[in-house]
Amino acid sequence: AQKVTQAQTEISVVEKEDVTLDCVYETRDTTYYLFWYKQPPSGELVFLIRRNSFDEQNEISGRYSWNFQKSTSSFNFTITASQVVDSAVYFCALSEAWGKLQFGAGTQVVVTP
Amino acid sequence: DAGVIQSPRHEVTEMGQEVTLRCKPISGHDYLFWYRQTMMRGLELLIYFNNNVPIDDSGMPEDRFSAKMPNASFSTLKIQPSEPRDSAVYFCASSPGPSRETQYFGPGTRLLVL
Repeated sequence: AQKVTQAQTEISVVEKEDVTLDCVYETRDTTYYLFWYKQPPSGELVFLIRRNSFDEQNEISGRYSWNFQKSTSSFNFTITASQVVDSAVYFCALSEAWGKLQFGAGTQVVVTP
Repeated sequence: DAGVIQSPRHEVTEMGQEVTLRCKPISGHDYLFWYRQTMMRGLELLIYFNNNVPIDDSGMPEDRFSAKMPNASFSTLKIQPSEPRDSAVYFCASSPGPSRETQYFGPGTRLLVL
């Protein structure tokens, strides 16, 4: 069963617009970890953020921000004032305490000038 | 510090040939993971090692695939014989702990089997 759902296949925005990527996860564990990775056109996977299930504090890092809500099992990611360099595929991933890292299908973000 | 290093970056081979992919993890990381990425199946874990010992190889698609980690700084993923359906990007990742810890990925090897 799919444990990480990224319902948005592709999002296209114009530069300077904000873009929010949705991630919904499924787990019965009380302890788990959530991640976001970025895969630019060059192909590498770049780690962005890690959150554990006990830390619901939302975080802002530069133009990136994350909204973790256990009540809705969501871990959404927002890029503020998008730039062309933000064009990439973004993956949400879940790790249960002793399980494997499970990735969502990814959301392609296209930022046009 | 150097990140995860993979070689080759690109590999084109013919069906039936042996393919060997190589990975050097980040120094001090006790866990090493091999993933495969395809359009159809996304990112899937093939196998992972802890302190050079294979822990879970349930993701290895079939006996044609094998992986080794002879020491803490080197791992190989071998496909013999290769088939066109093995064409994919293969990533190696390392981390200081199991899956709840952050995994750092190498640049990947893009494999094309003709």
